[in-house]
Amino acid sequence: GAVVSQHPSRVICKSGTSVKIECRSLDFQATTMFWYRQFPKQSLMLMATSNEGSKATYEQGVEKDKFLINHASLTLSTLTVTSAHPEDSSFYICSARWLAGSDEQFFGPGTRLTVL
Amino acid sequence: QQQVKQSPQSLIVQKGGISIINCAYENTAFDYFPWYQQFPGKGPALLIAIRPDVSEKKEGRFTISFNKSAKQFSLHIMDSQPGDSATYFCAASPGSGAGSYQLTFGKGTKLSVIP
Repeated sequence: GAVVSQHPSRVICKSGTSVKIECRSLDFQATTMFWYRQFPKQSLMLMATSNEGSKATYEQGVEKDKFLINHASLTLSTLTVTSAHPEDSSFYICSARWLAGSDEQFFGPGTRLTVL
Repeated sequence: QQQVKQSPQSLIVQKGGISIINCAYENTAFDYFPWYQQFPGKGPALLIAIRPDVSEKKEGRFTISFNKSAKQFSLHIMDSQPGDSATYFCAASPGSGAGSYQLTFGKGTKLSVIP
């Protein structure tokens, strides 16, 4: 149980285009989902916290108009990178808190974004 | 986000040996301390986690030691195997209140277990 999937696993796009990444909790309802970015050989940096049915909360320095997050249901959150540029190339990982009141987070397999 | 300091940055251990990774935190509001294992190109996987009300937790070959007064916690991997070679991250989060459940990660430790 407690499986989180991401789609796509890998995407290559041209500079200026938008890319949507989906994060799904497959066998549980996630009240909260988190989006992280990880550059090569670095740690995970929290980008935003997403609660179902409400606006995402972004960390300092993360542009909310560039990284659009939608959490329309208890099993799906999406991250859209708008007008992507080469510096947005990174590994994007989502996680889901699997039970209200639980600390445990389960992570997706990540999405490798490469912007040419 | 409050910082979580992790050391060493890299670690080489012989097969069968004990791998020890240390973390220290500053925020006394943290009350959940998980360790994650990450292989290249994959998402992190939860290994083991501890709360401040216990000083040690063991699951198989993995043990967390927790020192609340020193604000430090460590991961011990007993009988290390080549398959344990991965990057390990410690993390911490507060319980309820502002920033609740948001994980702050250490910088990671790349473990290599040599035969």
